[in-house]
Formats: sequence, C-alpha cells, structure tokens
Amino acid sequence: GDSVTQMEGPVTLSEEAFLTINCTYTATGYPSLFWYVQYPGEGLQLLLKATKADDKGSNKGFEATYRKETTSFHLEKGSVQVSDSAVYFCALLNQAGTALIFGKGTTLSVSS
Amino acid sequence: GAVVSQHPSWVICKSGTSVKIECRSLDFQATTMFWYRQFPKQSLMLMATSNEGSKATYEQGVEKDKFLINHASLTLSTLTVTSAHPEDSSFYICSARRRTSGRGETQYFGPGTRLLVL
Repeated sequence: GDSVTQMEGPVTLSEEAFLTINCTYTATGYPSLFWYVQYPGEGLQLLLKATKADDKGSNKGFEATYRKETTSFHLEKGSVQVSDSAVYFCALLNQAGTALIFGKGTTLSVSS
Repeated sequence: GAVVSQHPSWVICKSGTSVKIECRSLDFQATTMFWYRQFPKQSLMLMATSNEGSKATYEQGVEKDKFLINHASLTLSTLTVTSAHPEDSSFYICSARRRTSGRGETQYFGPGTRLLVL
C-alpha cells in the first residue's frame, strides 16, 4: 500500500543553518505530496504542497520539489530560525483522493 | 483562514467510562471530516472518514463499535471512545475538508485532544 518514509529526528541546528528533511514515498501513480508543520501546542498546518512531477512547493522560505524518478519530496530551507522549531510531517494523498498518509514526523530544534 | 477546534484539549478518565471528543469547523462548512490517532514519535494514523449525514468509513483494524463517530452537521463531528481502557490513551486529531473543495484539496487540522485513561 501507499506509504511515506521520512528521516528520523530530532534534527538540531543552529540559527541560519541549512535544513534538509528527507522524504520518500511509495504509491500507485503520482499522488499529490504535502509537508505539514506542527508547532508546539497547535494543530497541523499545511506548509507546502506539489500536485505533479517536477512541481516545486514553497512557503515561508521552505521548498520541496516533487521528484518522480526518485519518488522523493525533500524539504529544504536555506537559513532556519528559532521560530522554525516544530515537528514536520511529509504526507501523500491516496489515489482515491480521500485520505492523507503521513510519515512519522521529524522534530526540528533550532537554537540561537 | 480555516479554523478547526477540538474540545476538550485534555481529558483524563477512569477505565470503563466513555469519552466524547468534539471537532468543529468554525468558519467553513465541512462535508468530510477525518479522525486520526497519533502515538508518541509515530505518524498520524487515519482512523475513520466521516461524511455529513452518513455513516463513517473506518480504516482496517479500527473497531467501529469502540470508536463511535457522528457527523451530524456540516460543522461538527464527534468521536466517542466507548468503555475506554489504558491502551486507548493517545492523542486524537481531527481534520476537516471544505465543502467546496475538489479532490485532493487541503485538510484543516484541529489542535488535538490528549486522552489519558487510568
């Protein structure tokens, strides 16, 4: 079945460091791909998405490119801030378009 | 923006009691709501999908008689954990999809409800 694998955390970085969180998927066809972020004490928020191969989603300085050849959707940011500390979830939409399938989440901790 | 609330945010109950969790879309109508369960350091696991006015669709392995879902209106869905046991302790999260959304449109998530069964 469909699945999402993302790198284990926690990821600990200093402010202004470069961030990469790896995400790969297994799915039938070409599903829409998402990154969600969960700040402490809050619900999941959509960070960015891509709906077809080679699309690049971007928001708040974060980017991810839909790579069908490597079935990946890695999240990157050039310069992280303390306020980026959160849990990041990679997800795909199943083929029926009815449900999101999530990775396990990666905790990012940024220190000043 | 689209806001989804959950109530309560925290609940502690005795084993054998039932607990109801509410999920509300505050500023939009949601024909579809989803209930997830999240274990520590684990992914969100979809429990069930509920459409307004119809029975919920449960994922494989989820006991529908234990986790009762009602989606009585376009802004409210409830999850009732019946005869709760310590193994039901978890973080329960709901999400809602806008009425006007097409296939694959964004889901909006509630802040979650932490359930602890003693």
